[in-house]
Amino acid sequence: DIQMTQSPSSLSASVGDRVTFTCRASQGISSFLAWFQQKPGKVPKSLIYDASTLQSGVPSRFSGSGSGTDFTLTISSLQPEDIATYYCQHYHSYPLTIGGGTKVEIK
Amino acid sequence: EVQLVDSGGGLVQPGGSLRLSCAASGFSFSDHYMDWVRQAPGKGLEWVGRIRKKANSYTTEYAASVKGRFTISRDDSKSSLYLQMESLKTEDTAVYYCTRASPNSRGHWYFDYWGRGTLVTVSS
Repeated sequence: DIQMTQSPSSLSASVGDRVTFTCRASQGISSFLAWFQQKPGKVPKSLIYDASTLQSGVPSRFSGSGSGTDFTLTISSLQPEDIATYYCQHYHSYPLTIGGGTKVEIK
Repeated sequence: EVQLVDSGGGLVQPGGSLRLSCAASGFSFSDHYMDWVRQAPGKGLEWVGRIRKKANSYTTEYAASVKGRFTISRDDSKSSLYLQMESLKTEDTAVYYCTRASPNSRGHWYFDYWGRGTLVTVSS
């Protein structure tokens, strides 16, 4: 099975900061990677697929990059409504697996 | 508007069974793969399984943790997805989400919409 490792597990940043966190796959997954956002007490929301394509309606301050085994999600200017846990997930092969998440808090 | 409404959760004893449903609307249900994802209290997300569409013979895939105990099915005439859960364990306690999957340009399917979730509690 492909393991997805996210780092850091949590981070604290100020409003307006550029925030970047990473996701690493245990083997190459091409660009078959998605990112999800889950706000506290809410349903997960799909943000990005194919490593870098934004889902419809997702603000342009979110961007994704990477291929192979190393991926990043960047928020160019952190907003209060971005407080959430972010998960990465591969869809290269079965079983699909999801990383442990990065929790983003406001400093 | 795409809507996925999960239902059927509740309290069940260890070893028991439960059937979850997901009612879909706002899109052509039969054209999409569908998945179940779960989240134990205070934990991360875990993929449970997938069912493909009719053109792919409604074949299924499962996580090792549920294989042989859970069965995913669908009824395209009712735009509905199901998760039959047998031999339930306390570790199956979670919110269960149905998700819609869509294809990318290379034929791999990614999640794009999520249901609201339904809570399953396995406890004596």
